[in-house]
Amino acid sequence: QVQLVESGGGVVQPGGSLRLSCAASGFTFRNYGMHWVRQAPGKGLEWVAVTSSDGSNKDYADSVKGRFTISRDSSKNTLYLQMNSLRAEDTAVYYCVKRGDDCSGGRCSLGYWGQGTLVTVSS
Amino acid sequence: SYELTQPPSVSVSPGQTASITCSGDKLGDKYGYWYQQKPGQSPVLVIYQHNKRPSGIPERFSGSNSGNTATLTISGTQAMDEADYYCQAWDSSTVVFGGGTKLTVL
Repeated sequence: QVQLVESGGGVVQPGGSLRLSCAASGFTFRNYGMHWVRQAPGKGLEWVAVTSSDGSNKDYADSVKGRFTISRDSSKNTLYLQMNSLRAEDTAVYYCVKRGDDCSGGRCSLGYWGQGTLVTVSS
Repeated sequence: SYELTQPPSVSVSPGQTASITCSGDKLGDKYGYWYQQKPGQSPVLVIYQHNKRPSGIPERFSGSNSGNTATLTISGTQAMDEADYYCQAWDSSTVVFGGGTKLTVL
């Protein structure tokens, strides 16, 4: 079965950096586009970034563009999110998400979500 | 930037039908998706491409789309359906979520 296990969250000071990892199993990782989505405490879902299956195409939310970088290592079945210049408003649970198998016109659902890892930006 | 608007809350009595709307400019020209999130859990896809159910999602969940509004309908609502629901669409190559609707079953 599909498993997505995020790690790397923790407490970091404003202006600091953190790298999140997502270990994927139960499916052919190299064939799937992957997302990061975050949720601030008590708030709604906010999409962060997406990478294509081969890592050649990436897109970001305006709120993180230039500060966050999504990447993947298919030899390790792992998705990453490098977060730099962190701000208090980046405090959230970060979810790793596998695209669904329901694609049409290159657009798919966010089919399967990991359990998330909490990032707290505070001095 | 593209925006999706949902009502913050909807209440329904057990066994009745709950409808949650999601509005966005020309939403009907895009595929709509719906996710359910129960407290302390990760979101789960319940509707994709406006009106299709993933395997394992009960038949009481359905979706529709008309013009600028997508609707998630839960027929014969059960206590276990109490959760936050989020609509989602693609805007070009980025993903947009609605603000979420808290469904209360009382």
